[in-house]
Amino acid sequence: QKEVEQNSGPLSVPEGAIASLNCTYSDRGSQSFFWYRQYSGKSPELIMFIYSNGDKEDGRFTAQLNKASQYVSLLIRDSQPSDSATYLCAVLHRDDKIIFGKGTRLHILP
Amino acid sequence: EAQVTQNPRYLITVTGKKLTVTCSQNMNHEYMSWYRQDPGLGLRQIYYSMNVEVTDKGDVPEGYKVSRKEKRNFPLILESPSPNQTSLYFCASSSTGGFFGYTFGSGTRLTVV
Repeated sequence: QKEVEQNSGPLSVPEGAIASLNCTYSDRGSQSFFWYRQYSGKSPELIMFIYSNGDKEDGRFTAQLNKASQYVSLLIRDSQPSDSATYLCAVLHRDDKIIFGKGTRLHILP
Repeated sequence: EAQVTQNPRYLITVTGKKLTVTCSQNMNHEYMSWYRQDPGLGLRQIYYSMNVEVTDKGDVPEGYKVSRKEKRNFPLILESPSPNQTSLYFCASSSTGGFFGYTFGSGTRLTVV
């Protein structure tokens, strides 16, 4: 069974602090890993993808992948109120299906 | 502008009345997919298509049909909608088998009464 697990939250983080979001997945053959941001009632927006072990940085966002531990994380530095949203972890499995976690609600406290 | 366009954005219908939700993308993507999103259940894949005339079931295909006669279009058909198909639906597309992720449409909120 292909699974992507996330803590549902809400995760509350003070403005300006680092928000850390975590995700685990079950299929060791997974190829590519994604973080989507979704505001209430809106469509998911791709903010990061990673496919190699290690860190990938883009502006205030850093994605981290550890394939041995089957673990993906997203760090958001200098958190802003506009970062308040639900963050979806997604995994591309070897059968070309993308499976989504249920999401973590992030709340940035002004 | 590169985008995935879904119509309609909102739809209220009655049980058993056939409906079609359209999806079109202008990025020449091979892969297209339909998801439904429900509170507490997250995004679940209904059907996906790897190219014209090639489709496959996702995790929750029951009660849905799709077709891919043209590369840009991937309509979702509900032959006989039921209240348990009330949901938020998203169409998405990707090149390279989804390796770099999907681009999502704006969503269709369907209510079946």
